[in-house]
Amino acid sequence: EVQLVESGGGLVQPGGSLRLSCAASGFTFSSYEMNWVRQAPGKGLEWVSYISSSGSTIYYADSVKGRFTISRDNAKNSLYLQMNSLRAEDTAVYYCARDSGISVAVNYYYYMDVWGKGTTVTVSS
Amino acid sequence: DIQMTQSPSSLSASVGDRVTITCRASQSISSYLNWYQQKPGKAPKLLIYAASSLQSGVPSRFSGSGSGTDFTLTISSLQPEDFATYYCQQSYSTSVYTFGQGTKLEIK
Repeated sequence: EVQLVESGGGLVQPGGSLRLSCAASGFTFSSYEMNWVRQAPGKGLEWVSYISSSGSTIYYADSVKGRFTISRDNAKNSLYLQMNSLRAEDTAVYYCARDSGISVAVNYYYYMDVWGKGTTVTVSS
Repeated sequence: DIQMTQSPSSLSASVGDRVTITCRASQSISSYLNWYQQKPGKAPKLLIYAASSLQSGVPSRFSGSGSGTDFTLTISSLQPEDFATYYCQQSYSTSVYTFGQGTKLEIK
C-alpha cells in the first residue's frame, strides 16, 4: 500500500524549532519529487516547500523562506522539514504529499496524488 | 506568483443536484490545473489533474474542464459523500504551487 506518515509535530514556543518527518512506503521514494503543504486552523491549503527526487532542486513559499529547510534521505525513504524561528502563524496541520506527473504531447502535468494524514504544529507561549 | 480564485466560497445543494465550481487563474496556466476534495479532519484527495483527467478510482460524476485562465469542476449528481471542501491548484509554476481559497459544499 502506498503510504506517507508524518511525525514530529507538537507544541513549541514562538522562536523555537521543530523537525517534521515523513516516512514513505509502498513506492520507490527516490523516484518522486515531494512537497510539504500546510493548513492553518479553519483555513485553506498552503503549499510550503518542494524537493526534487535527488534533492538538488528545492523551492519554498515566501512565507517560510529563510526559516524552513526541506531535505530528504532516499536511503531511509524519508522526507524532512526543519522549521526554525517559528511564529504563531506557522500553527497548522502539515501534510507531506507526493508529486507525480503525466506526459501529454509536449507537456508534463504535475499533481499531488498521495498525501499523508498530517501532523499538527502549534506555536504558542 | 499566480493567484487562484475560486467561486463561490460556499455552496448549498441537495443530493442529486448538478453542481459547478469555478476557478480562475491570474494568468494563463494552460491546463496545469488540479482539483482536490477535502473532508473535515482528513487529508486532501486528488480528483482531477491536468484540468480534465479523472484520477483513478474517482467516480465519473466528477469532471473538469477549462484551459488558460478559467476552469470548472462539475459534479453531475451530488451524492451524500460529496459534501466537502474543494480546492483548485495550479502546477504551471513548478517553483511555487498555489491553491484556491476553497469552496465549501454543504447540504441544503
